Amino acid sequence: NAGVTQTPKFRVLKTGQSMTLLCAQDMNHEYMYWYRQDPGMGLRLIHYSVGEGTTAKGEVPDGYNVSRLKKQNFLLGLESAAPSQTSVYFCASSLLAANTDTQYFGPGTRLTVL
Amino acid sequence: SQQGEEDPQALSIQEGENATMNCSYKTSINNLQWYRQNSGRGLVHLILIRSNEREKHSGRLRVTLDTSKKSSSLLITASRAADTASYFCATDARGSSYKLIFGSGTRLLVRP
Repeated sequence: NAGVTQTPKFRVLKTGQSMTLLCAQDMNHEYMYWYRQDPGMGLRLIHYSVGEGTTAKGEVPDGYNVSRLKKQNFLLGLESAAPSQTSVYFCASSLLAANTDTQYFGPGTRLTVL
Repeated sequence: SQQGEEDPQALSIQEGENATMNCSYKTSINNLQWYRQNSGRGLVHLILIRSNEREKHSGRLRVTLDTSKKSSSLLITASRAADTASYFCATDARGSSYKLIFGSGTRLLVRP
């Protein structure tokens, strides 16, 4: 099993450009999450999904959109990138709800917005 | 807002020594989890301790939970250079079982 994979690994954008980050998991997990991690800080939840076709806002959802059309995929979109969105983005998944189960993390996407 | 806060922010020890990291949180929780992050990598789950548990072990790891003080500690015994990483505690978000709130982490350096 590949676990949780993320594409791309690195990306540089100019302000105002758009992009989509792809997260895929092969563990048949119901729950999926997108986090961002800024230097010296812990992870902050952007959006999450409790099942196929559902999405919900986390702590810092502004400027991002998500979709969960297939159970195994969770997409994070930036419609108009801003320098404040420069960060490392992590996707995670879990079989059960976050507070009762292990979250499995992808390797991260390092995004720079110029 | 931060639910869990780790202390110290950074810790440097010699290989073979024990490392203790602490986590404090603000509101009542169902469970508390500890994760490790090696440089440039995603987080890896270490231990989940439930609110009705006081201590849990996994190999060289020992986690304690004191709900009256709203605090937890992670002890790594007989540390190795490979334990060098950042360690994060994560707790339930208030009113939601779907969210975890992560602290800012303790950076552990184990010197060979």
